[in-house]
Amino acid sequence: KNEVEQSPQNLTAQEGEFITINCSYSVGISALHWLQQHPGGGIVSLFMLSSGKKKHGRLIATINIQEKHSSLHITASHPRDSAVYICAVITQGGSEKLVFGKGTKLTVNP
Amino acid sequence: GAGVSQSPRYKVAKRGQDVALRCDPISGHVSLFWYQQALGQGPEFLTYFQNEAQLDKSGLPSDRFFAERPEGSVSTLKIQRTQQEDSAVYLCASSFRRSYNEQFFGPGTRLTVL
Repeated sequence: KNEVEQSPQNLTAQEGEFITINCSYSVGISALHWLQQHPGGGIVSLFMLSSGKKKHGRLIATINIQEKHSSLHITASHPRDSAVYICAVITQGGSEKLVFGKGTKLTVNP
Repeated sequence: GAGVSQSPRYKVAKRGQDVALRCDPISGHVSLFWYQQALGQGPEFLTYFQNEAQLDKSGLPSDRFFAERPEGSVSTLKIQRTQQEDSAVYLCASSFRRSYNEQFFGPGTRLTVL
């Protein structure tokens, strides 16, 4: 079993829909990252959080440390949001390396 | 300022050939990471440097893989006697301080071993 699990693997939505992507992890963590990867490979960090909730524009990330669960929400989705969204954690007591989920491929249709 | 850059962006190698992949981190970034991403998978950790010191190389899949960062800035990932299973995108990331900071990723090098 992977240390970081994401669901769903693939998600198709219509423009304007509210999107939720889930991430569960099985290890103690120092921080959790949400990353966005567009075709061609470039990865951009969206959020880094260790508790609570963060908001940036139409993106919201939440984390529940007790339940070892995080969610990424996209409000008023747009075709340009189409990308792979990856959850990654920094484990406690380890180096600063990221342990990644397999990603969620989001397609937003106009 | 410039972000993390990697070269080459694409590399095709014949099986058994040696390859060298370069990463130029953001100036002043202390930490540098190499990750390997197979097609359709999430990235996986290879190795980590803090300045010139290689603090963690637990993710290197075999002794054919070697990484260095001799002056604490540019890093090179070398793969000797490449095999088909080495085909992947190799990602480099850097972060400013030792603490748990945001990692900035390069565009990656796509390696195809024939």
